[in-house]
Amino acid sequence: KQEVTQIPAALSVPEGENLVLNCSFTDSAIYNLQWFRQDPGKGLTSLLLIQSSQREQTSGRLNASLDKSSGRSTLYIAASQPGDSATYLCAVNGLDTGFQKLVFGTGTRLLVSP
Amino acid sequence: NAGVMQNPRHLVRRRGQEARLRCSPMKGHSHVYWYRQLPEEGLKFMVYLQKENIIDESGMPKERFSAEFPKEGPSILRIQQVVRGDSAAYFCASAAGYQETQYFGPGTRLLVL
Repeated sequence: KQEVTQIPAALSVPEGENLVLNCSFTDSAIYNLQWFRQDPGKGLTSLLLIQSSQREQTSGRLNASLDKSSGRSTLYIAASQPGDSATYLCAVNGLDTGFQKLVFGTGTRLLVSP
Repeated sequence: NAGVMQNPRHLVRRRGQEARLRCSPMKGHSHVYWYRQLPEEGLKFMVYLQKENIIDESGMPKERFSAEFPKEGPSILRIQQVVRGDSAAYFCASAAGYQETQYFGPGTRLLVL
């Protein structure tokens, strides 16, 4: 059974810092991995999706990498801003789920202070 | 091009009442997923539906919960005889096809008193 873990659970940094969020998954047979952002009381916004054949994806100040064999992904945020404060969720779409449902981590709660 | 719509956004029910949550997928999407986020927990898959068919309901509680996605109209997640433990945020996602990217709605926050 696929399990997804995110470390750290919470992170507080001053504005301008570069930071890394970590995601690990137990079953490397995945179709893709997705990073989401969730603001308090809101829905999920998809940030980056990495197919299993890819090593990384970039969007603006965000870069996500995938090492499928070791079951790890990282989300790198450059030059963090207070507007980046949110919970970041990692989710995998894996073979054990028949590629039909996402398995989520519990998230990293990020606070960027001005 | 409206995104995934969910209503109501907030729902308050007393124990024993019924809760009906609605999800309108993005235009052109015929695949709908429901997820539940309990307080301080991650999102957990509940059910996957296509038009008029339940494809995978392995995440649904065995009793009181049901889901449908009729030929016309939104997908409905129905919770009968709600209990306090049902209080959670319920998210719907839609996709254009099998294994396609899922787009999430804003969620319905259910509070059971």
